[in-house]
Amino acid sequence: EDQVTQSPEALRLQEGESSSLNCSYTVSGLRGLFWYRQDPGKGPEFLFTLYSAGEEKEKERLKATLTKKESFLHITAPKPEDSATYLCAVQAGGGATNKLIFGTGTLLAVQP
Amino acid sequence: DAGVTQSPTHLIKTRGQQVTLRCSPISGHKSVSWYQQVLGQGPQFIFQYYEKEERGRGNFPDRFSARQFPNYSSELNVNALLLGDSALYLCASSLGQENTEAFFGQGTRLTVV
Repeated sequence: EDQVTQSPEALRLQEGESSSLNCSYTVSGLRGLFWYRQDPGKGPEFLFTLYSAGEEKEKERLKATLTKKESFLHITAPKPEDSATYLCAVQAGGGATNKLIFGTGTLLAVQP
Repeated sequence: DAGVTQSPTHLIKTRGQQVTLRCSPISGHKSVSWYQQVLGQGPQFIFQYYEKEERGRGNFPDRFSARQFPNYSSELNVNALLLGDSALYLCASSLGQENTEAFFGQGTRLTVV
């Protein structure tokens, strides 16, 4: 069964304290791995798509990396406005659908 | 450019009632997917529609149904509401059937009392 596990469940950082969020996955044929940011009561905001092991993408203070078993979202010198839930999702298999399988997210709190 | 729009933003229904949620995708996007997100969990896939046809269905009971219109907008219907249907319902828009990047609306918060 395709599965996505995120850790930690919650993370509290001081402003400027860099860290990483983990997303491990077991899927039958990875088609893409996605990172989203979600603010309370809002829909997920697209951040990155990664397609193959070794791929990296960056956006401001965020950098996403991908291996054959997991992905990391590195946050460099975070600011309070980076506080949110970060969701990881995968698309898997050869079916004709773009179904996303999500993890339960990491709740990030950045304190000034 | 307008993003994905969903209506209504909030809704309160009584057990046993029926509800219809609406979604307009990003202009030019032909695929719409629906997800249910309960508090503290990641979104769960309900349906995908592309070119007005169902292309994928998640593990949800037959009380859940959806359709897509010629202008690619979509409706999600839930019959015989249960307390457990209380959740944030999300619509995601994609360019094509298998196109990987999905963009979400702000969601409809459904509360069943």
